[in-house]
Amino acid sequence: DGGITQSPKYLFRKEGQNVTLSCEQNLNHDAMYWYRQDPGQGLRLIYYSQIVNDFQKGDIAEGYSVSREKKESFPLTVTSAQKNPTAFYLCASSIGESEQYFGPGTRLTVT
Amino acid sequence: GNSVTQMEGPVTLSEEAFLTINCTYTATGYPSLFWYVQYPGEGLQLLLKATKADDKGSNKGFEATYRKETTSFHLEKGSVQVSDSAVYFCALSDRWIQGAQKLVFGQGTRLTINP
Repeated sequence: DGGITQSPKYLFRKEGQNVTLSCEQNLNHDAMYWYRQDPGQGLRLIYYSQIVNDFQKGDIAEGYSVSREKKESFPLTVTSAQKNPTAFYLCASSIGESEQYFGPGTRLTVT
Repeated sequence: GNSVTQMEGPVTLSEEAFLTINCTYTATGYPSLFWYVQYPGEGLQLLLKATKADDKGSNKGFEATYRKETTSFHLEKGSVQVSDSAVYFCALSDRWIQGAQKLVFGQGTRLTINP
C-alpha cells in the first residue's frame, strides 16, 4: 500500500538538542511539506519542497531545517534555535498542486 | 493575506442530529476550498473539496458549497454518527505556486457525537 510514513510517533528530547523527524513516502509524489500543529490552532507550514534538491521556507521556518536528497524522503530537523519546539508535526505530499496526503504525525516533546 | 475562520468548538451533538460547521474565508482571487478531518492521534484526511464558485463537494454524507457571495464553505451532514467524532479543518489553497499547493488552514473544530 502506498502512503506516508513518519517515525517515531512520539519523540522526547532535552532542551538544547537538535532532533530530526523522519518522513518517507512511496506515492511517487514530487512535492512534500512539513506542518506544525499546536492545540487549538490550525496547521502552519514550515517548509515545502517541489522537487528533489530544492525546498522553500513556509510561514514559520525559523529554527527548522530540511533536506531533500531523495524524492521519497524529506526529513525535518528541529534545532535548538526553535524557541517553542513542543508540537505535533505533520508531513504531507502531493502531485504538484493537487490534493495533499498526510502522514500520521510525530508528537515531539522537549523538556 | 489569505485567511480562514472556522466556527469555534468544541461542538457536541447527539447521534442522528444535523451538523453545521461554519467556515468563512478571506482571499484574493478564486482559491480552491477544502475540508479535512483528523481522527484522534492521526494525520489529516481530505474529506471534500470545491474548486470554483457554486461547486458542491460531497463525501461520506458530508456536503459543502463554495459560496463566493458570502465567502463561505460551511460543512453540513444530515445525520451524524458516533464515528464522525473528530477535528474538522477548513482550508483554502493560497497563492499559486508552481509544482506545489500552499494551504491556509482554519483553527479546527472539535466535534463529539454522543450515542
